[in-house]
Amino acid sequence: GAVVSQHPSWVICKSGTSVKIECRSLDFQATTMFWYRQFPKQSLMLMATSNEGSKATYEQGVEKDKFLINHASLTLSTLTVTSAHPEDSSFYICSGQRPLAGGETQYFGPGTRLLVL
Amino acid sequence: QKEVEQDPGPLSVPEGAIVSLNCTYSNSAFQYFMWYRQYSRKGPELLMYTYSSGNKEDGRFTAQVDKSSKYISLFIRDSQPSDSATYLCAMSASTSYDKVIFGPGTSLSVIP
Repeated sequence: GAVVSQHPSWVICKSGTSVKIECRSLDFQATTMFWYRQFPKQSLMLMATSNEGSKATYEQGVEKDKFLINHASLTLSTLTVTSAHPEDSSFYICSGQRPLAGGETQYFGPGTRLLVL
Repeated sequence: QKEVEQDPGPLSVPEGAIVSLNCTYSNSAFQYFMWYRQYSRKGPELLMYTYSSGNKEDGRFTAQVDKSSKYISLFIRDSQPSDSATYLCAMSASTSYDKVIFGPGTSLSVIP
């Protein structure tokens, strides 16, 4: 299957600081990438849909000014958690949508674990 | 009532056992059904994809969808320790990934 990487794999930061998470599609061009958040023993929750070259579409309840998404190229999307607080501690997962003949497939990155102290 | 319900487990079985994982849902518009496997501290990977009702088999894995009961299942035959992971069901009314609803996952341990 296709490969999606995330960096960093884990990060610890102080409350009030900003954290940037990168999501890269390594062997395909992803015109659309998705950002999810997953709390322990809970479902993956979609935060936003990111399309290359345009503004991200945020899900209801997700603050766009707090979770800044940039999709500057077909292989890179970034999520910046601004002024992070302990309640932002979670597992953040991105996915890339790869067009295939006859349909599309979604490939997930390995996730980034964020701990805000 | 949540749109997708899944018993979180944990489920522990001996190696070689048949494993049955299930999800129920409330939205009758769901037509696309998926099962993902997620290893600890990793992203989900797609195992099975089914459209509408019926069965689908892939190696040791069989996915079943019963739309009349709003119930889907994943069966794992001859379970292996490497199957130990969290299994997420997911479903959608359309082919748009931004409309997919995930279950919370069932944690499975296969004991050697």
